[in-house]
Amino acid sequence: QKEVEQNSGPLSVPEGAIASLNCTYSDRGSQSFFWYRQYSGKSPELIMSIYSNGDKEDGRFTAQLNKASQYVSLLIRDSQPSDSATYLCAVMRGGADGLTFGKGTHLIIQP
Amino acid sequence: DGGITQSPKYLFRKEGQNVTLSCEQNLNHDAMYWYRQDPGQGLRLIYYSQIVNDFQKGDIAEGYSVSREKKESFPLTVTSAQKNPTAFYLCASSPRTGGNQPQHFGDGTRLSIL
Repeated sequence: QKEVEQNSGPLSVPEGAIASLNCTYSDRGSQSFFWYRQYSGKSPELIMSIYSNGDKEDGRFTAQLNKASQYVSLLIRDSQPSDSATYLCAVMRGGADGLTFGKGTHLIIQP
Repeated sequence: DGGITQSPKYLFRKEGQNVTLSCEQNLNHDAMYWYRQDPGQGLRLIYYSQIVNDFQKGDIAEGYSVSREKKESFPLTVTSAQKNPTAFYLCASSPRTGGNQPQHFGDGTRLSIL
């Protein structure tokens, strides 16, 4: 069973602090990794993609990938109340075409 | 504006009825996907299509059917064989399948049982 695991939360972070979201995956053949943000009642919005080991930064967001440990993370710096949402980790399985999603982490930024 | 349009936004199904969810994209993307999301759950892949007139089953295809007669359109039919159809249905597209091809989503259709 190929799985993507996330802590469901809620994860509560003070405004202005760093939010750290984590994801593990079981398929060692996975090639591509994505973070989506989903506001309540809305569809997922792509915020980060990462394909090779290391860090990738985009504005206040940093994605980190460690394929040896099968671990992906998302850091949000200077957290804002508008960052409050569910964050979905998604993995492109090796040799397949669809994404496998975790159940998401509910993030709450406290003003 | 380029994007993915799903309709209707809300849909109600009666017992024994088939219903069709529409998904249209004007991004000139080759690949299109259908996912289902249940409350508090991640998305699960129903069907996907790489090119016109070709599609493959995902992880939970039973009780669903699709067609891909045009590049822009990938409708999903929820048949009466799907005994638990209440969910949020999301259509996505990407330039091509596989590899480093992020998928972008439409606004979704909420399906409920009457």
